Amino acid sequence: GENVEQHPSTLSVQEGDSAVIKCTYSDSASNYFPWYKQELGKRPQLIIDIRSNVGEKKDQRIAVTLNKTAKHFSLHITETQPEDSAVYFCAATGMEYGNKLVFGAGTILRVKS
Amino acid sequence: EAQVTQNPRYLITVTGKKLTVTCSQNMNHEYMSWYRQDPGLGLRQIYYSMNVEVTDKGDVPEGYKVSRKEKRNFPLILESPSPNQTSLYFCASSLWDSLSYNSPLHFGNGTRLTVT
Repeated sequence: GENVEQHPSTLSVQEGDSAVIKCTYSDSASNYFPWYKQELGKRPQLIIDIRSNVGEKKDQRIAVTLNKTAKHFSLHITETQPEDSAVYFCAATGMEYGNKLVFGAGTILRVKS
Repeated sequence: EAQVTQNPRYLITVTGKKLTVTCSQNMNHEYMSWYRQDPGLGLRQIYYSMNVEVTDKGDVPEGYKVSRKEKRNFPLILESPSPNQTSLYFCASSLWDSLSYNSPLHFGNGTRLTVT
């Protein structure tokens, strides 16, 4: 069935260190993988996304990698800053998910200064 | 400004009293959806709509209704709210590709509902 698992559920890093969040999906036909950031009391906002025809995408300090064979994708944040502290959600969609974007349960990232 | 507007932001009500949360987008998006967010459970889809007069159930549709009479509006209706519907609700919209879903979702600011 449709399932997106996200790990870890909480992550604490020191300012300047890197943070990695990993998601696995079950639908081998999935073709779109966005990441959303939700700051406390605010709405989720798209920070980066990747489509199944590429393996990696970067945007400044943020990158996403996709391994279609293993059915997992990861968010990498380098040189973390206190303003990176938030909840991060991964999501996946594809033909078998039936017009739905299925979200992971979220990761609470805390960047300690 | 392109946006998804939800109202109200906060709502406290009593069990059984019908309520409607409105959602409107000004981006001419075909796809609209409602999610509820609960601690540890992430974002769970309630209902979605791929275009006017087309709606379908998400993962947790029980106790909710929606309608899509106009492209820009997608209200969420709770006919008889219960305490287990206390949650944070988000409306979202996006462009729709008929071949596969692959466009970013734009979220509203959320509605925090408390049912006593």
